[in-house]
Amino acid sequence: AQTVTQSQPEMSVQEAETVTLSCTYDTSENNYYLFWYKQPPSRQMILVIRQEAYKQQNATENRFSVNFQKAAKSFSLKISDSQLGDTAMYFCAGTSNTGKLIFGQGTTLQVKP
Amino acid sequence: EAGVTQFPSHSVIEKGQTVTLRCDPISGHDNLYWYRRVMGKEIKFLLHFVKESKQDESGMPNNRFLAERTGGTYSTLKVQPAELEDSGVYFCASSQPRLAGPQYFGPGTRLTVL
Repeated sequence: AQTVTQSQPEMSVQEAETVTLSCTYDTSENNYYLFWYKQPPSRQMILVIRQEAYKQQNATENRFSVNFQKAAKSFSLKISDSQLGDTAMYFCAGTSNTGKLIFGQGTTLQVKP
Repeated sequence: EAGVTQFPSHSVIEKGQTVTLRCDPISGHDNLYWYRRVMGKEIKFLLHFVKESKQDESGMPNNRFLAERTGGTYSTLKVQPAELEDSGVYFCASSQPRLAGPQYFGPGTRLTVL
């Protein structure tokens, strides 16, 4: 069975600061993929970043980067230079070859001016 | 390019009634997924279509739920008869025919069963 755990229900950060959201992923699969999705208030969910488990290099997308620690089963998201538009609920998710996403509980991030 | 669309955006029905949700995926996306988020809980997988075929329906809660994808284009999810515990937000997502490609989500349908 695959499980995804986000232990931070809510977080806040000052504008322009850096924040890290935590996620752990447990699976018996050798090959899997991890994602961070964000859902802004009253808007649809969009993909933030994608990481392939067999790649050692951590994925980066502009101000968003991940710290993937495979042995520790940790997959955290770092948001640098936080902006007001980053206010959203963030979901960590994983999948194996089936494509079916397993989601964490979500973390609500508030960026304060 | 149009994104994933879902209809209706909100639906309020009484227990025992029938509701049909619709999802239009991005054109060319063979994979179509349904997910559900019940209040306060995590998003759960319901089922996965590849074109018109059900690839995985392991997440369907019971036989009151029926999903179809005729012609491999849009999909419908029918709940009949609806129960109180079916309330939640139903998301549809689509992706290209590529291993673990990014899934693009629709805005969701908020279903309230009274």
